[in-house]
Amino acid sequence: GESVGLHLPTLSVQEGDNSIINCAYSNSASDYFIWYKQESGKGPQFIIDIRSNMDKRQGQRVTVLLNKTVKHLSLQIAATQPGDSAVYFCAEGITGGFKTIFGAGTRLFVKA
Amino acid sequence: DTGVSQDPRHKITKRGQNVTFRCDPISEHNRLYWYRQTLGQGPEFLTYFQNEAQLEKSRLLSDRFSAERPKGSFSTLEIQRTEQGDSAMYLCASSLSIAGANEQFFGPGTRLTVL
Repeated sequence: GESVGLHLPTLSVQEGDNSIINCAYSNSASDYFIWYKQESGKGPQFIIDIRSNMDKRQGQRVTVLLNKTVKHLSLQIAATQPGDSAVYFCAEGITGGFKTIFGAGTRLFVKA
Repeated sequence: DTGVSQDPRHKITKRGQNVTFRCDPISEHNRLYWYRQTLGQGPEFLTYFQNEAQLEKSRLLSDRFSAERPKGSFSTLEIQRTEQGDSAMYLCASSLSIAGANEQFFGPGTRLTVL
């Protein structure tokens, strides 16, 4: 399949360890933030979202943290598995709006 | 499989030719988006439909690009007189515009290579 993100920053973790992927967003007016996972040859897949009235949200094995003061977003993946290997993108938008702006991706490589 | 399909998955064309891509969104979704993605980059917004109305076009979308969603269901993206710089993955996404929800579901994309 097609390789996504040949020149992206790479995070390499051991299977079973926790992963933290960071993102800086650009628009102070953004109030809705999303993390997407993209595997080779596929479109981005929604992982988790968070609104600006929260600073933390948990899903299944994933946690998103939002720091509006410094416009920083992070995705934590617990007990990382080989199937988590992919490129991860953060994205921002405005509630009621339609445009989603994607940030630069990070490639996560999980070593078995 | 997100429920959004795109056709074709791959397209190789010669410079100067016209190409058309199709997107079938999730049936009850009223919003449809087109993005372009080049290697090493996140998807870049191209255009957006609410039902059959095209409400926004990015400056990235030159006059050679046109998109339609004639019946508010499937959409087509046409590129006329293709250039090598048009080579990219073209992604379609759909969403349902209800209060507070903005989750977009992406299709697998159409990979365009212009020779």
